[in-house]
Amino acid sequence: DGGITQSPKYLFRKEGQNVTLSCEQNLNHDAMYWYRQDPGQGLRLIYYSQIVNDFQKGDIAEGYSVSREKKESFPLTVTSAQKNPTAFYLCASSIARTAGAQYFGPGTRLLVL
Amino acid sequence: GESVGLHLPTLSVQEGDNSIINCAYSNSASDYFIWYKQESGKGPQFIIDIRSNMDKRQGQRVTVLLNKTVKHLSLQIAATQPGDSAVYFCAETLFTGKLIFGQGTTLQVKP
Repeated sequence: DGGITQSPKYLFRKEGQNVTLSCEQNLNHDAMYWYRQDPGQGLRLIYYSQIVNDFQKGDIAEGYSVSREKKESFPLTVTSAQKNPTAFYLCASSIARTAGAQYFGPGTRLLVL
Repeated sequence: GESVGLHLPTLSVQEGDNSIINCAYSNSASDYFIWYKQESGKGPQFIIDIRSNMDKRQGQRVTVLLNKTVKHLSLQIAATQPGDSAVYFCAETLFTGKLIFGQGTTLQVKP
């Protein structure tokens, strides 16, 4: 998992509730990413950030929001607008958006009550 | 047990044999490729990478081969061990930095 941590490992969401997933890295990477993985499927990009105070929508940003106030941190909020939030969420980072491999955290599994 | 040329969703090999996992990538402009290993319930783990100006790169027990003519990438694992059992993904990177993941292959190692 390198120097990327995600918490919590499991998260339960009630209907209508917003929940926030944490992602922290100590690799001094500029770029950070959030992916969603559904069972038996590949990774889909939700949001990415190339630098502090900047972020861009990925392929499936609807129902999610992010912030990047610190280089080390890139939290993801799953809002009540996301109607099918049950999935495995993965955070990653790389030296830069256009350089170097992406390294992944251990993931957070989000379940709906 | 080896598979060459075709992508298989599942590859079953005997412990100690060599494994070859194949991947076809989509974009001829991709210039950087990565292999990841994902164990059940865990995040993908970086294994090895290769740039488009190379056709072969070796790591510890792993070798990646790149054939740009047919847009094909392969991962060879020598002396496969039970701990190698996982899903393996290839990924290609466009000049924009966007990472595109290939179909995963589940490697099963039989004792």
